[in-house]
Amino acid sequence: DAMVIQNPRYQVTQFGKPVTLSCSQTLNHNVMYWYQQKSSQAPKLLFHYYDKDFNNEADTPDNFQSRRPNTSFCFLDIRSPGLGDAAMYLCATRTGRIGEQYFGPGTRLTVT
Amino acid sequence: GESVGLHLPTLSVQEGDNSIINCAYSNSASDYFIWYKQESGKGPQFIIDIRSNMDKRQGQRVTVLLNKTVKHLSLQIAATQPGDSAVYFCAETSDFNKFYFGSGTKLNVKP
Repeated sequence: DAMVIQNPRYQVTQFGKPVTLSCSQTLNHNVMYWYQQKSSQAPKLLFHYYDKDFNNEADTPDNFQSRRPNTSFCFLDIRSPGLGDAAMYLCATRTGRIGEQYFGPGTRLTVT
Repeated sequence: GESVGLHLPTLSVQEGDNSIINCAYSNSASDYFIWYKQESGKGPQFIIDIRSNMDKRQGQRVTVLLNKTVKHLSLQIAATQPGDSAVYFCAETSDFNKFYFGSGTKLNVKP
């Protein structure tokens, strides 16, 4: 049963062309996260939502934005992708009561 | 964010042997730790967690040890199997909201 769904699994965009990645969950979890993971590196936290409260990491570039229109969906918007933004983008959820995060399969973004 | 790092980037073990993967963290305020397994092309998968009020926790074939004095935790996998081949990350948090990942260890299990 899919719990955290990311679409698309692979996304190709052009340098400077805005792109949106989506994440949905069937777990009804309060918290949703976006991580960036580059090749052979650890996932890096970009931001998270606790319900509707948005929490940005201090070192997340302004080029990255997020929206959470409802509990189930969260979007990652990259306003002007650069070549350095090519990475796997992971969405995760967590209920507010325990620590375990549930990760989606990721969207691999290629910037040409 | 907090700094979490691993000592060994790659670990090769023989099938059936025990594996030990290590992780160091820098934030003494961290009070919850998770080990994740990530297979190629997939998102991280929860393995086991531990709170800072514990120094050991066991699961099925896995054990996590926490040494708060030296800010170190380890993941022990008993009777390692080919299906255990993956990259393993530790993650830590001091507020149960923001989780920071270590640099990862690739585990290769030789048949």
